[in-house]
Amino acid sequence: DAGVIQSPRHEVTEMGQEVTLRCKPISGHDYLFWYRQTMMRGLELLIYFNNNVPIDDSGMPEDRFSAKMPNASFSTLKIQPSEPRDSAVYFCASSFILGTGKEQYFGPGTRLTVT
Amino acid sequence: RKEVEQDPGPFNVPEGATVAFNCTYSNSASQSFFWYRQDCRKEPKLLMSVYSSGNEDGRFTAQLNRASQYISLLIRDSKLSDSATYLCVVNIGDAGGTSYGKLTFGQGTILTVHP
Repeated sequence: DAGVIQSPRHEVTEMGQEVTLRCKPISGHDYLFWYRQTMMRGLELLIYFNNNVPIDDSGMPEDRFSAKMPNASFSTLKIQPSEPRDSAVYFCASSFILGTGKEQYFGPGTRLTVT
Repeated sequence: RKEVEQDPGPFNVPEGATVAFNCTYSNSASQSFFWYRQDCRKEPKLLMSVYSSGNEDGRFTAQLNRASQYISLLIRDSKLSDSATYLCVVNIGDAGGTSYGKLTFGQGTILTVHP
């Protein structure tokens, strides 16, 4: 398996622009997670899906952030409009749960810089 | 209070040293426990799960104390390749024992092993 795939790997954009991050989870996994990592705040869970349905979006910073999962093999995280404080590494992860929490497999991340 | 707390370090140790990391968690309903490793500018990856009876994987030993809500990781005979950030991770279920896919990550402990 190719693992979790994220694109783009790097994104540099200007303040006010729309940014779309993409994720393809591991085939067969039924959970998908979006995280944001900064030096100051560490790894923060933004939102997660189970069987394509958003379960908990309490970590989404504000209305500028939105996430969708139209099918089991694709998810997007959109920031509109972007701001410099959104600069971070955004990770997508997926897992297959049976009972208690299991290992999450992370993608390589998208390094976002908003100028 | 953070849900998962770790000493951020950094820990700087010579090759061959033994080093221990500690972690505390605040939610007594926590179900599963893990240590993840994150190399510089890479994604987090599972190092090992942590079981109530304690468990060992080569040079790595993990311990869990549910009464104290405390988790530890011991690394023996440190190698240069052990240099990384070590993340304490907890799966928080509900009071009824239902476990969710969501994991909560500590801020991480930075380890540098030098020659």
